[in-house]
Amino acid sequence: GAVVSQHPSRVICKSGTSVKIECRSLDFQATTMFWYRQFPKKSLMLMATSNEGSKATYEQGVEKDKFLINHASLTLSTLTVTSAHPEDSSFYICSARGGLALDEQYFGPGTRLTVT
Amino acid sequence: QKEVEQNSGPLSVPEGAIASLNCTYSDRGSQSFFWYRQYSGKSPELIMSIYSNGDKEDGRFTAQLNKASQYVSLLIRDSQPSDSATYLCAVRAGNNRKLIWGLGTSLAVNP
Repeated sequence: GAVVSQHPSRVICKSGTSVKIECRSLDFQATTMFWYRQFPKKSLMLMATSNEGSKATYEQGVEKDKFLINHASLTLSTLTVTSAHPEDSSFYICSARGGLALDEQYFGPGTRLTVT
Repeated sequence: QKEVEQNSGPLSVPEGAIASLNCTYSDRGSQSFFWYRQYSGKSPELIMSIYSNGDKEDGRFTAQLNKASQYVSLLIRDSQPSDSATYLCAVRAGNNRKLIWGLGTSLAVNP
């Protein structure tokens, strides 16, 4: 149980374009989803927290107009990186919390974004 | 500022030995404690969660929590080369929904 999928696993895009990343909880209803980014050999950095049907809460320093988060249902959250720049290249990982173990977070496999 | 601290390592142990990973946290109101394993290039994987003082065992893994001393540890018995990874400690305080993460300890198990 507690499986989270993420799509796509890798994406390469050109500067100025937008990229959407999907995160799905496959076997439980995720009351809360989290979006992280991670640079090589660095720790996880929380970008935002989202609850189904409400606006995401962004961490300090994260541009909400650049990183659009939608949590439309209890099993799906999306992160859209708008007008991507090379410095947005990173490993983006979602996690979901809910189900029987309400306090545990389960991670998706991550999306490696490269902006050229 | 709420902090979670871990020794960055690398911690190197021989195959079959016990690996001991430690984590301290600053917020006394912390309620939930988690250990995640992260292989290079992959996302974190939940190994253990612990909520009350004492030990919690799951297979070769034992989590230990001491709220008075504000530390949580992870023991890995009979370490295997496949255990070589970065181990992340995460703590949730009170009603806060988000986790506070340590920087991780790199573990190398040598055959």
